Amino acid sequence: DIQMTQSPSSLSASVGDIITITCRASQSISDYLNWYQQKPGKAPKLLIYDAFRLQSGVPSRFSGSGSGTDFTLTISSLQPEDFATYFCQQSSSTPLTFGGGTKVEIK
Amino acid sequence: QITLRESGPTLVKPTQTLTLTCSFSGFSLSTSGVGVGWIRQPPGKALEWLALIYWDDDKYYSPSLKSRLTITRDTSKNQVVLTMTNMDPVDTATYYCARTHCTSSSCYVRVFGYWGQGTLVTVSS
Repeated sequence: DIQMTQSPSSLSASVGDIITITCRASQSISDYLNWYQQKPGKAPKLLIYDAFRLQSGVPSRFSGSGSGTDFTLTISSLQPEDFATYFCQQSSSTPLTFGGGTKVEIK
Repeated sequence: QITLRESGPTLVKPTQTLTLTCSFSGFSLSTSGVGVGWIRQPPGKALEWLALIYWDDDKYYSPSLKSRLTITRDTSKNQVVLTMTNMDPVDTATYYCARTHCTSSSCYVRVFGYWGQGTLVTVSS
C-alpha cells in the first residue's frame, strides 16, 4: 500500500495569511494526488485533482503542486471559510489511501 | 444535479453484518468512466477507502477488509450496496459513498468528485 503522510497535522493562521500543507507519498505516484477540504460534520469536498487541476467552482486562491512523492497545497490568502481540515489522497493505484489530515485553525 | 445519499442502520451489534445503501441521482452507473465508492471516517480520524464499483461492474476492495466486504450495484434502481460482515466496535465510523470525478472530457476513475452526506454507524452491544 502507498502511505500518505501529511504535515503539519494542524496549524494556526490568520485571515489573509499564505499557508502551505505538504503531502508525501511512500513511493512515486506521478501526479495522481488529490486534495479535499472537510468542514465539521460535512462530507469532504474535492478541491484539486491530479496534483494541480482546480475543481470547478473552487476559488483560485487554492493551488496545488508537486509530482513523484512530494506535493503541496497552498492557500494564497486565507479566508474565514477556509478554516477546515484538508486531506490528500493518492489515486495512482488501489488501495486508495488518504493522508492523516491537516486541521487549519484560526489564530 | 448529482446527489448521493447513504442509508442503513445507525446501530449494529458486534458480529452482525452491516448493509449500507447508496441511492443516487443525476447520473447513471452504466456510463463509461463512472464509479461509486465507499469511504469511512472514524470519529475525529482520517478517511479510509473501502471499496469501489465501476460502470463495467469491475470491483476493487481495500485489501485489509476485503474478506469482509461486498459491493454490488443495481443500475435500474440507481443504487450501490455495501455489506460488511463481522462488525466490531472499531468499525464505528461515518460511512460515505462518493462518485468518481468526471469533466466534460474525461473521467478520473480514482478521484471522488461527489459525496453523500454520510451516515454514522455505531457498533455496540
